[in-house]
Amino acid sequence: GQNIDQPTEMTATEGAIVQINCTYQTSGFNGLFWYQQHAGEAPTFLSYNVLDGLEEKGRFSSFLSRSKGYSYLLLKELQMKDSASYLCAPGEYKLSFGAGTTVTVRA
Amino acid sequence: EAQVTQNPRYLITVTGKKLTVTCSQNMNHEYMSWYRQDPGLGLRQIYYSMNVEVTDKGDVPEGYKVSRKEKRNFPLILESPSPNQTSLYFCASSLGGPGAGNTIYFGEGSWLTVV
Repeated sequence: GQNIDQPTEMTATEGAIVQINCTYQTSGFNGLFWYQQHAGEAPTFLSYNVLDGLEEKGRFSSFLSRSKGYSYLLLKELQMKDSASYLCAPGEYKLSFGAGTTVTVRA
Repeated sequence: EAQVTQNPRYLITVTGKKLTVTCSQNMNHEYMSWYRQDPGLGLRQIYYSMNVEVTDKGDVPEGYKVSRKEKRNFPLILESPSPNQTSLYFCASSLGGPGAGNTIYFGEGSWLTVV
């Protein structure tokens, strides 16, 4: 099984930076996904980390430390449309998601 | 257009009345999966399938059945629905297992209410 822990809610101002942390314990691990989900919609892929370190994709970056069972998603230059839930998911055959972090961006 | 299609999108049904939620993908994906999403609990995997005729339990399989007779279809069957199965259900697929880093594509979701 997997234990995945991420904060429930975060609030930030437009243009700011927010870091969403995720810790996990899993019996099997190959890499870690981050997904974005707007209310009532399907999740959409953001990133996948398999090696330790930081991967940058435009305004979004994701970091992984396999030895620590830790990842974070960094959202820069926040926009109103970034208000959504962000789901951390350690990847193996049974892909389990964390409960998600709801990010609210305020003007 | 590459997509995962699930039906029905919205359903209200009564306790004990068998129902099937269909899922179909047109991307020739080997891996398919069903999730349910409940407030505060996130996405929980019900069943997954690595290929035709290969299915396995996820984290919350009780009360559900699946079948994978064809590569493109992965129906979710509730033999005797109960109110605690009221939830938002997502079907998903990927080229291979998520452990290999394959992106999971989700259907639009099916809102199921059991009264």
